[in-house]
Amino acid sequence: DGGITQSPKYLFRKEGQNVTLSCEQNLNHDAMYWYRQDPGQGLRLIYYSQIVNDFQKGDIAEGYSVSREKKESFPLTVTSAQKNPTAFYLCASSIRTDINEKLFFGSGTQLSVL
Amino acid sequence: KQEVTQIPAALSVPEGENLVLNCSFTDSAIYNLQWFRQDPGKGLTSLLLIQSSQREQTSGRLNASLDKSSGRSTLYIAASQPGDSATYLCAVHDNTDKLIFGTGTRLQVFP
Repeated sequence: DGGITQSPKYLFRKEGQNVTLSCEQNLNHDAMYWYRQDPGQGLRLIYYSQIVNDFQKGDIAEGYSVSREKKESFPLTVTSAQKNPTAFYLCASSIRTDINEKLFFGSGTQLSVL
Repeated sequence: KQEVTQIPAALSVPEGENLVLNCSFTDSAIYNLQWFRQDPGKGLTSLLLIQSSQREQTSGRLNASLDKSSGRSTLYIAASQPGDSATYLCAVHDNTDKLIFGTGTRLQVFP
């Protein structure tokens, strides 16, 4: 089945620790995105990538880092600099970043702080 | 700055009712508007995408309309079913090339 796989589904972070969220897609999409969802708020864009080895900051990139070494993979690292990391993280992809392309989402990772 | 608002925040209806979800945006300079469905603890599924030049899109029991000049979109769900229970989000693609999401309407359809 084609789709986007996020892992783990639940993740716990200790203070001062960096954690990495995985996102893999087999849709052969060029563009990939990371969003953060907090209760009562809309999704906010963290980072996006239009092509391998290239990525751009979104609206709330501080405290996060990404890499795009392979077309299929776009991992997100939540660093210790992110002081309020508890949220639901969603990865998405689209064929390209054309404005009329639909986004396809993974099932999300819930990150909580211990 | 583009802002997207969805009213109501929550809605509970009996099975079989036709219902309307509302989405409003502050800047009419948009490229398109999308409606998504999100089940609890899950990702989003794209339902309908309306380009700025279009007035509406239909998919099965769903119909979405767009009135750019007034900054409004509605999602009409006909003959609602318990399986329609979910959170529905709208998002506009604005002239900064970003998707701006609303906070969603949580729908519950009871038997």
